[in-house]
Amino acid sequence: AQKVTQAQTEISVVEKEDVTLDCVYETRDTTYYLFWYKQPPSGELVFLIRRNSFDEQNEISGRYSWNFQKSTSSFNFTITASQVVDSAVYFCALSETNSNSGYALNFGKGTSLLVTP
Amino acid sequence: SAVISQKPSRDICQRGTSLTIQCQVDSQVTMMFWYRQQPGQSLTLIATANQGSEATYESGFVIDKFPISRPNLTFSTLTVSNMSPEDSSIYLCSARRGGSSYEQYFGPGTRLTVT
Repeated sequence: AQKVTQAQTEISVVEKEDVTLDCVYETRDTTYYLFWYKQPPSGELVFLIRRNSFDEQNEISGRYSWNFQKSTSSFNFTITASQVVDSAVYFCALSETNSNSGYALNFGKGTSLLVTP
Repeated sequence: SAVISQKPSRDICQRGTSLTIQCQVDSQVTMMFWYRQQPGQSLTLIATANQGSEATYESGFVIDKFPISRPNLTFSTLTVSNMSPEDSSIYLCSARRGGSSYEQYFGPGTRLTVT
C-alpha cells in the first residue's frame, strides 16, 4: 500500500501566487519522520525539511511553510509568492522507526510544480 | 549536512554489460541507501548498505542483479549487472549519520541509459 500520497501530479501557477502541495501519509508507528525534498530540472535532490511525529509545530522558512496535522495524517507544504526558480518536482517522504530498512525513505510520487512568469 | 559524491554522473551502456556506481561521503555515516528513479517516476529503495554486513534488499531487487559493497563508513558501490533497457534510470545514493540525526542527504545521482 502506498504510504505517502501526493494527490497532485502537476500544478501550474503564475509567479507571485501562493501554492500548497499536499501530502498524506500512512503509518502504524508512533515515532516517524516526514520530509520534503525538491528536485529541480538538474536532477539533484535537495533536502527542505524534516519533521518528527512528536512535533506538530508548524514551521516557516522564508517563503516556505509546512503544516503538520497528525489528526489528518497530513504534512502540507506552502510556497508563498512563488517564483520561477521554484519550478521543480517536490517529494514528500516518510521514514518509519520500526521498518526493516534502517529508516530509509518511502517517497510519494511527487508533485511537479511549474511557475510561469 | 553531509556532502555526497557519485561516479560516474552518467553513462550509456550496452545491453548485457555491468556498471559499478561509486558513492563517497565526506564524513562517516552509519547508514547508506541506494535508490532508483525511473524516468518520470518517484524514488524507490533498492537496498540498505550497512558497513560490515550484507546489504538488505527491498522486494523486487536481488543481490545477483544489484550487488552492493560497503567496505567502510564513507564509501559504497552499487553494481547494475547484466543490464537491459529497463534498467535505464537515475541511481541515487543517500546517507544518514545515525543516532538522533534523521536527515538523509542524497548524492547527485548517476543517470544510466542502457541501449
